[in-house]
Amino acid sequence: QSALTQPRSVSGSPGQSVTISCTGTSSDVGGYNYVSWYQQHPGKAPKLMIYDVTKRPSGVPDRFSGSKSGNTASLTISGLQAEDEADYYCCSYAGSYSFVVFGGGTNLTVL
Amino acid sequence: QVQLVQSGAEVKKPGASVKVSCKASGYTFTRNAMNWVRQAPGQRPEWMGRINTGDGDTKYSQKFQGRVTIIRDTSASTAYMELSSLRSEDTAVYYCARELEESSGYHFDYWGQGTLVSVAS
Repeated sequence: QSALTQPRSVSGSPGQSVTISCTGTSSDVGGYNYVSWYQQHPGKAPKLMIYDVTKRPSGVPDRFSGSKSGNTASLTISGLQAEDEADYYCCSYAGSYSFVVFGGGTNLTVL
Repeated sequence: QVQLVQSGAEVKKPGASVKVSCKASGYTFTRNAMNWVRQAPGQRPEWMGRINTGDGDTKYSQKFQGRVTIIRDTSASTAYMELSSLRSEDTAVYYCARELEESSGYHFDYWGQGTLVSVAS
């Protein structure tokens, strides 16, 4: 299955907001409200930040929010902090043949 | 607290098989499906498959169908992933990941620490 498309990198200054996009198709992102976002620091396991497009697991700051329009999902991080610097991966359910597909990842740099 | 503890790093030769374990604690093992996700160095995560820990039903990625087997031992609260016919491209960190109960969408709320599998002759 094809990976979802994300920008390779984004950056922002502390306190600013950044948005990371994730483009798929009608067979994955556009077809289901099952998009999730993961944060991964170097050498660590991914951490769930957003699920079902917009929902935050307990313990995830409300600075993290998700949305979707058509075949593109987005993760917005407001009030950037140094500890937000990490790789971010989107993920979508892709039906009962492919099941799960991940994005290529976006490296966030906090300037 | 929820913990997923995986077995240690493995070094295998091409053509061999590897079996990685994932011991769960801190919750009722049979309430959440367990998934396996691998990540090659510098690459995106890649979903391999999942097991319904209650009834043992499995689903596999088409990419790994025929080479991967996922089982569970409910008495030990442990899931296992076995990958056969290993090749160099299988060198990666392999993670077990618990599936979020609140959604039907294959979201992973707890992850193991990862197991590095290296395949080299």
